[in-house]
Amino acid sequence: EVQLVQSGADVKKPGESLRISCTGSGYNFTTYWIGWVRQVPGKGLEWMGIIYCGDSDTIYSPSFQGQVTISVDKSIATAYLQWSSLKASDTAMYYCAREGGDVAEGFEYWGQGTPVTVSS
Amino acid sequence: EIVMTQSPATLSVSPGEGVTLSCRASQTVSINLAWYQQKPGQAPRLLIYGASTRATGIPDRFSGSGSGTEFTLTISSLRSEDFAVYYCQQYINWPRGGYTFGQGTKLQI
Repeated sequence: EVQLVQSGADVKKPGESLRISCTGSGYNFTTYWIGWVRQVPGKGLEWMGIIYCGDSDTIYSPSFQGQVTISVDKSIATAYLQWSSLKASDTAMYYCAREGGDVAEGFEYWGQGTPVTVSS
Repeated sequence: EIVMTQSPATLSVSPGEGVTLSCRASQTVSINLAWYQQKPGQAPRLLIYGASTRATGIPDRFSGSGSGTEFTLTISSLRSEDFAVYYCQQYINWPRGGYTFGQGTKLQI
């Protein structure tokens, strides 16, 4: 069974750093892409970026380029989303999701989401 | 950037009825279009990819159609569990061009 399990909720202050994780299981982790999606409370879905877990090839949405860093540790089948300096506007639910390998077929598998709250 | 526009923002329907949701792309995306369902407190769920292919386990009352810039998601005979928010997503330039989501259509009773 394919599963993506995300790290738990986090509460941070503005200016702090944060790294959240997404661990895949039940499939060959290195032959798929993992994407990150933001959802601000009460709002829609925003694609942030994707990473190919085999070689760490990473593509960012222009809206998030320079604001976050996506990485992967294939030895432990885990993808990461990190911030070096959080803002209050980063308060949101963050989802990871698995895309296809060679072709795009939508995000079929999703993590449970990681709520991030940034508040002084 | 390709902009995806969904209409209407909210749709009020009754169980048992059929409904059609619309999604328009600002430029052609061919059939590189997916639909997702999201219920409160849950992660999105993939319904349709390739504009018309149902994802694994999706009941056949969900159907997608369209190509180019105009797409529809049709749900026949609505059930109580179908009331949710629906998003379209384009991926024509995947992977380098990434994705764009529509703003969503809320289906309410």
